[in-house]
Amino acid sequence: GAVVSQHPSWVICKSGTSVKIECRSLDFQATTMFWYRQFPKQSLMLMATSNEGSKATYEQGVEKDKFLINHASLTLSTLTVTSAHPEDSSFYICSAPKSGPNTGELFFGEGSRLTVL
Amino acid sequence: AQKITQTQPGMFVQEKEAVTLDCTYDTSDPSYGLFWYKQPSSGEMIFLIYQGSYDQQNATEGRYSLNFQKARKSANLVISASQLGDSAMYFCAMRGNTNAGKSTFGDGTTLTVKP
Repeated sequence: GAVVSQHPSWVICKSGTSVKIECRSLDFQATTMFWYRQFPKQSLMLMATSNEGSKATYEQGVEKDKFLINHASLTLSTLTVTSAHPEDSSFYICSAPKSGPNTGELFFGEGSRLTVL
Repeated sequence: AQKITQTQPGMFVQEKEAVTLDCTYDTSDPSYGLFWYKQPSSGEMIFLIYQGSYDQQNATEGRYSLNFQKARKSANLVISASQLGDSAMYFCAMRGNTNAGKSTFGDGTTLTVKP
């Protein structure tokens, strides 16, 4: 069964509104979670690293004020797309390492498809 | 810096035949992990197989095997006895200690299994 759950799977919103996407680790504690963005037929682009108890680390070129990340607990990280515009429409997916070294397996959420009208 | 290269944008294979998806990597990390994920049209990332950089033997998981050639920095995925349900996009990825555990993904290979 899934070890990382992401919600919602689909979201359609109007331009200018904010959308929150949740990523939960189901049976383990995740001090770190990763958020990615994926355009059709393309690879996953790492947006930021979410750290429990501290600020997220954003990749170069990712707007911190546009994509707010909060790691509220050891099992929950949220990505909020603020003042969404059509160009923010994309597939967003989170992942978390279950345990162990930085070289171990990442478990992915189901992904969230955002469409901004 | 880490880099993953998948040179095959698209591949076709006949049902029941084997197929190899290529992956080469570059890293300065002495310790790293290599992964393959399957992404069907639904979008979820399905973990297939893992190879640690210090593992002596090639990883196998059912119909999936990883042909790990460390000196050549390659980690090709072999799918045996292809099934129609194997049609999907496949990503090679790696994680390393010096990159704070961040993963690097290749551009992916779209595999189509023909009946």
